[in-house]
Amino acid sequence: DGGITQSPKYLFRKEGQNVTLSCEQNLNHDAMYWYRQDPGQGLRLIYYSQIVNDFQKGDIAEGYSVSREKKESFPLTVTSAQKNPTAFYLCASSIDSRPQHFGDGTRLSIL
Amino acid sequence: QKEVEQNSGPLSVPEGAIASLNCTYSDRVSQSFFWYRQYSGKSPELIMSIYSNGDKEDGRFTAQLNKASQYVSLLIRDSQPSDSATYLCAVNAKAGTASKLTFGTGTRLQVTL
Repeated sequence: DGGITQSPKYLFRKEGQNVTLSCEQNLNHDAMYWYRQDPGQGLRLIYYSQIVNDFQKGDIAEGYSVSREKKESFPLTVTSAQKNPTAFYLCASSIDSRPQHFGDGTRLSIL
Repeated sequence: QKEVEQNSGPLSVPEGAIASLNCTYSDRVSQSFFWYRQYSGKSPELIMSIYSNGDKEDGRFTAQLNKASQYVSLLIRDSQPSDSATYLCAVNAKAGTASKLTFGTGTRLQVTL
């Protein structure tokens, strides 16, 4: 089945630690996105990528980094510079200007 | 001013009634509009998309768009308890080939028995 796979489902970060969230899609979509959702809030765009080896900052990129070495994969690293990383992280993909579809998300918490 | 605004709710409607969810947006050049449903603890699921003025119907759902008023709405007919969720309005600020969406904070819908 085609879809977007995010892993892990739950992740815990220690102080000063970088953690990487995985996002893989087999939909052959060109564009991929990372969002952050805080309780009771909408989604805020962290980074997005339109093609391989290219990505742009979204509205809240500080403290995060991404790479897009393969069309299928768009991992997100939450660095130690992100002081409030606890949130629900959602990866999405799309093709052309069609609607975005989401993975199941990763919940990140601080230990 | 928020770019996409929704009433946070909760909006409470009895089973079988029509639920009306509203959304306003500030960017006049927005071209595409989407409604996502999000159950508690889950990821958003696309339920409707609309691109031109007027109504678009899909089953029990109707999306309405008025670009002059910068207003988009979602009607849910014959509301069911399974419709209880948060509904997110999203607007496309197109960026190249990427569909860069701006989301509202969502309206929580409660369908009561």
